[in-house]
Amino acid sequence: DTEVTQTPKHLVMGMTNKKSLKCEQHMGHRAMYWYKQKAKKPPELMFVYSYEKLSINESVPSRFSPECPNSSLLNLHLHALQPEDSALYLCASSQGSAVLEQFFGPGTRLTVL
Amino acid sequence: AQKITQTQPGMFVQEKEAVTLDCTYDTSDQSYGLFWYKQPSSGEMIFLIYQGSYDEQNATEGRYSLNFQKARKSANLVISASQLGDSAMYFCAMREGKTGRRALTFGSGTRLQVQP
Repeated sequence: DTEVTQTPKHLVMGMTNKKSLKCEQHMGHRAMYWYKQKAKKPPELMFVYSYEKLSINESVPSRFSPECPNSSLLNLHLHALQPEDSALYLCASSQGSAVLEQFFGPGTRLTVL
Repeated sequence: AQKITQTQPGMFVQEKEAVTLDCTYDTSDQSYGLFWYKQPSSGEMIFLIYQGSYDEQNATEGRYSLNFQKARKSANLVISASQLGDSAMYFCAMREGKTGRRALTFGSGTRLQVQP
């Protein structure tokens, strides 16, 4: 199984809502990532989890809260988002200790009204 | 300073012809990896090819090859025999080694359109 899955595919939420994005992989990868991609821009790193511990937080606002419940699952909890947070949110995973490719999920297209 | 530079915002190529997408990078690390990803309009990032900084031969994967010129810090992607399905956004990315940072830094991308 060489797949990263993300749910939901699309999400529309108001600025007062609380929602969560989910990412799952069953490749035994020990590093997982959240990227944010605005339209016509490259992906930008948000968070890195390594062996289920948060290792990098790229100064992301606290309205984004990541969680890694186990080695296969990565969540991104959203609360009090702003319209400028509307973007494609990509999850990726990679093996923990080698310079190998990251496998990306299909992304969640988030719209904040 | 930009770590990954893609100077071609858009490229056109005729079907069945070859095309080169440019990428230059900037790093002081000795150990690093260079990647190319394809992103169709659906949004998924599809891994195409990888080149390690210590690899002496240029990487190849089917119709994709990477023209790696270390002294010039360039890692151009060559797509041979273009197909209509190759129309997409292409991103060059780098993973640096010294900090143990596993995340990728992406260039701004090149939109490739293959014409029949």
